[in-house]
Amino acid sequence: KAGVTQTPRYLIKTRGQQVTLSCSPISGHRSVSWYQQTPGQGLQFLFEYFSETQRNKGNFPGRFSGRQFSNSRSEMNVSTLELGDSALYLCASSSGQGRNNEQFFGPGTRLTVL
Amino acid sequence: AQSVTQLGSHVSVSEGALVLLRCNYSSSVPPYLFWYVQYPNQGLQLLLKYTSAATLVKGINGFEAEFKKSETSFHLTKPSAHMSDAAEYFCAVSDPGNQFYFGTGTSLTVIP
Repeated sequence: KAGVTQTPRYLIKTRGQQVTLSCSPISGHRSVSWYQQTPGQGLQFLFEYFSETQRNKGNFPGRFSGRQFSNSRSEMNVSTLELGDSALYLCASSSGQGRNNEQFFGPGTRLTVL
Repeated sequence: AQSVTQLGSHVSVSEGALVLLRCNYSSSVPPYLFWYVQYPNQGLQLLLKYTSAATLVKGINGFEAEFKKSETSFHLTKPSAHMSDAAEYFCAVSDPGNQFYFGTGTSLTVIP
């Protein structure tokens, strides 16, 4: 099975712009979660989508949004970028059913905001 | 509510020495616990998971972890460190809603 893929791998944007990140989960997985990773902060949970519905949401401002399509692919959008949004954004997929199902991570998208 | 605390953001060990990475959890329900490893410029990879079966869990690359309910701990160990073990390690707990909570990570350095 192909793993979780994320595109693009690297992005450079300027303050005020918006950005869209894409994640393709493992085939058959219905849950996609997004995380922001910054040095010293670990992984901060953004949101989780399951069967096209947002099922969980972290404590991030409304500038961060996402969606999931019928084929389980997910996109994350950040509007009005700020310098503090520079981070590695990780996507993880799982079956989404049962607490013991591990999350499989993609390689991440490195976003730099100038 | 669920949370994990990883004691020690940086750990250094000599090659061949014991690796011990600490994780304590807080959970309002019986916990499901995970250890992940992240190599530079990569995503996270599952090392092992505890899902209420055996308290001593064996994972990949010679790592294992022991679930201790009385201490609310799930420490990760490896008897003999290898240079290739140098990476960032994350402990995580999942909640009944399938949301994962990660610790802030421990960076492991292996000294030759």
